[in-house]
Amino acid sequence: EAGVAQSPRYKIIEKRQSVAFWCNPISGHATLYWYQQILGQGPKLLIQFQNNGVVDDSQLPKDRFSAERLKGVDSTLKIQPAKLEDSAVYLCASSLVSSGQETQYFGPGTRLLVL
Amino acid sequence: AQKITQTQPGMFVQEKEAVTLDCTYDTSDQSYGLFWYKQPSSGEMIFLIYQGSYDEQNATEGRYSLNFQKARKSANLVISASQLGDSAMYFCADISGAGSYQLTFGKGTKLSVIP
Repeated sequence: EAGVAQSPRYKIIEKRQSVAFWCNPISGHATLYWYQQILGQGPKLLIQFQNNGVVDDSQLPKDRFSAERLKGVDSTLKIQPAKLEDSAVYLCASSLVSSGQETQYFGPGTRLLVL
Repeated sequence: AQKITQTQPGMFVQEKEAVTLDCTYDTSDQSYGLFWYKQPSSGEMIFLIYQGSYDEQNATEGRYSLNFQKARKSANLVISASQLGDSAMYFCADISGAGSYQLTFGKGTKLSVIP
């Protein structure tokens, strides 16, 4: 069974530029998560989708970050414009359903460096 | 709000020895789940083991076991017979809350296995 796919794996941009990340979850997984992991910390949830609807985006900086999951499968996360503090690893995860017992499976992440 | 504390920033263990990674959690929810993930230098978060708050027995998965002490709110990971490939960051996380089942991670413990 294929795991969670993410691209690109690495991205370097200058501040004020825009960038987009793509995620393809495990087939059949209804729930998709985007996490941000700053160096030296654990991942922090940015946004959670259930199918193509947003469940939780309370920690998403909506003035610069946006995300969508059209058709309830693939998802894109966009940053526009990027700031230096956005340098981090962006992890996508998926789970079969949204529950307290359901394991979230992570992709390899996208390492973003903002100069 | 949930909080996960991992007090060991770094740990060393001799190959083939056992090691315990500490994790304490702070939640007022009655129903919650506890997870351990491994993050190698490649960046992917790899699921290791899960413990539900109502599970009476400690979870085990191969060389991994979870020492769950509910009254003390601790969920320590025990790795038996350490291997060189076990060198990585290890994150403890909990999940709770109706609707948005986001993982809340600790800061992690860097484990180094010495040959």
